[in-house]
Amino acid sequence: SYVLTQPSAVSVAPGETARITCGENNIGRKSVHWFQQKPGQAPVLVIYYDTERPSGIPDRFSASNSENTATLTISRVEAGDEADYYCQVWDSSHHYVFGSGTKVTVL
Amino acid sequence: EVELVESGGASVQPGGSLRLSCAASGFPFSSFEMTWVRQVPGKGPEWISYISSASSTKYYADSVKGRFTISRDNAKNSLYLQLNSLRDEDTAVYYCARAIRDGQTMDQWGQGALVTVSS
Repeated sequence: SYVLTQPSAVSVAPGETARITCGENNIGRKSVHWFQQKPGQAPVLVIYYDTERPSGIPDRFSASNSENTATLTISRVEAGDEADYYCQVWDSSHHYVFGSGTKVTVL
Repeated sequence: EVELVESGGASVQPGGSLRLSCAASGFPFSSFEMTWVRQVPGKGPEWISYISSASSTKYYADSVKGRFTISRDNAKNSLYLQLNSLRDEDTAVYYCARAIRDGQTMDQWGQGALVTVSS
């Protein structure tokens, strides 16, 4: 089964760009989805099917997926982007696998 | 507006049982696949169960297989999770979530229900 590896923490200054990686062998062959979770709240889908943004998600959020690494990019980071971020894939056994999570801190 | 509201969370002793409910509104519930996801405080989400729109297909994570049962009542716009033989490690916030497209991810989540298993 998949084991999705993410950096435990990323720090970024306001206005800069944050990049969060999600690694697994051949992840580029899967669709990757990304969630944002703020303390005490449910996860929120911010990117699905590698690059699509749900309605209401700012275009500052973008993503890519290739070979062994998927990447979520947050441009022009704001204080409100501070949260935990999780990648997720769906495997052929109809199981949903979440990444280990990355805490984004806005300096 | 899409809304998912879980209920039934409680504190229970090891070996006990509990039934969680999820009331759905704001969308055609009977047309959507649904899932349950749990999260231990301070840890990442863990998917535990899936059910197809007509209840014909169900899947479970190995960690709960044989102990938990997912079901739904489309006439009542409700999703359920029966938790049996509860263990300390089942302590978590349990979320119901709506699956989208071909079911590969979840686009709407409830606020969660806390289940605490402790003697």
